[in-house]
Amino acid sequence: DQQVKQNSPSLSVQEGRISILNCDYTNSMFDYFLWYKKYPAEGPTFLISISSIKDKNEDGRFTVFLNKSAKHLSLHIVPSQPGDSAVYFCAASFSSNDYKLSFGAGTTVTVRA
Amino acid sequence: EAQVTQNPRYLITVTGKKLTVTCSQNMNHEYMSWYRQDPGLGLRQIYYSMNVEVTDKGDVPEGYKVSRKEKRNFPLILESPSPNQTSLYFCASRYTAYATNEKLFFGSGTQLSVL
Repeated sequence: DQQVKQNSPSLSVQEGRISILNCDYTNSMFDYFLWYKKYPAEGPTFLISISSIKDKNEDGRFTVFLNKSAKHLSLHIVPSQPGDSAVYFCAASFSSNDYKLSFGAGTTVTVRA
Repeated sequence: EAQVTQNPRYLITVTGKKLTVTCSQNMNHEYMSWYRQDPGLGLRQIYYSMNVEVTDKGDVPEGYKVSRKEKRNFPLILESPSPNQTSLYFCASRYTAYATNEKLFFGSGTQLSVL
């Protein structure tokens, strides 16, 4: 039973506009959340994270929002660029250095020129 | 260059023929882990290792074995592969102490097809 869900398999957005990726989780004990980005034929790489004690974390064009009461987080990319075209995975864990990570199914983002 | 190396990149095999996917890292990381990626399911953890000779099951360990005899290597063994093990496999590593999953390094993946 998947504890982390990304219900949108794909997202297409025009260059320069905002991309919003959503992620829901079921286990209220999750304490740390991460987003990874994956290009074809490569492994995932870390993008941005957020602890449950925060509701927002920003890093350049990327912002992650966390709504603990709704068990929901979202990743905003502003502005979207062609190089952002990739698969984005949401992941959750019980601590920042947990040995076990639960991943969502991923959302494929395509940025149109 | 710091990296996690998996071999082979692609593998086609038949049901029941034992195979090993190798994973090696050059960063002296204590922690290593194996994931499989399947459409609609994302990445699921198979096994992980906190250090040499210390391994534990992840969420989907059935049908897999691992060993950690040396710090740099963490092979994934399929003793009797079945078609439901057709998947994209990733190995990952990081330091154990004072390290978080932001510092998790992934290999480039091994695409396995079991016929």
